[in-house]
Amino acid sequence: GAVVSQHPSRVICKSGTSVKIECRSLDFQATTMFWYRQFPKQSLMLMATSNEGSKATYEQGVEKDKFLINHASLTLSTLTVTSAHPEDSSFYICSAPGLAGLYNEQFFGPGTRLTVL
Amino acid sequence: GQQLNQSPQSMFIQEGEDVSMNCTSSSIFNTWLWYKQDPGEGPVLLIALYKAGELTSNGRLTAQFGITRKDSFLNISASIPSDVGIYFCAGQLRSNDYKLSFGAGTTVTVRA
Repeated sequence: GAVVSQHPSRVICKSGTSVKIECRSLDFQATTMFWYRQFPKQSLMLMATSNEGSKATYEQGVEKDKFLINHASLTLSTLTVTSAHPEDSSFYICSAPGLAGLYNEQFFGPGTRLTVL
Repeated sequence: GQQLNQSPQSMFIQEGEDVSMNCTSSSIFNTWLWYKQDPGEGPVLLIALYKAGELTSNGRLTAQFGITRKDSFLNISASIPSDVGIYFCAGQLRSNDYKLSFGAGTTVTVRA
């Protein structure tokens, strides 16, 4: 199946700094990618849809100025957490739809653990 | 996103037992999906269901897309220790919209 990678796998940063997380589709192109956030023992919550060549669309309640998304190419989307605070500590997961047999399915990255001190 | 009600929240089972979990929603979904997530990893797709009433198997896993398109269940037969993990259902409202809504997850712990 298609592979989605994320970098870094974990990052620790100081409060007030910005952190960039990369999501890459390794063997397929993705005009759309999705960013999710998962708090401990909770489900995945969709944050935003990343669109290649246009602005990202954010889910209700997600601050677009705080979570900057750039879909730079057909294989790369980046999420930048600006002025990070401890409450932004979470597991961030991206996904991209790719063809699997007859249907498209979502392929998820391995996630990025962000800890803000 | 849409609300999916997944149950049970957690279960402790003996190795060799069968496991069953389900998801319901007030919305009609075009696609139902079941994922497994291991600690510190992203979700991995187990089974995808595309048609109402569809019953699909993947090894010891069996899942069904409810006839009303508002529910789905996942069965795991003859559980083994590596079945430990968190299982999520997910629904996709439209075939051309890949946004997923996730259930709260079912944590499965297998006792050897």
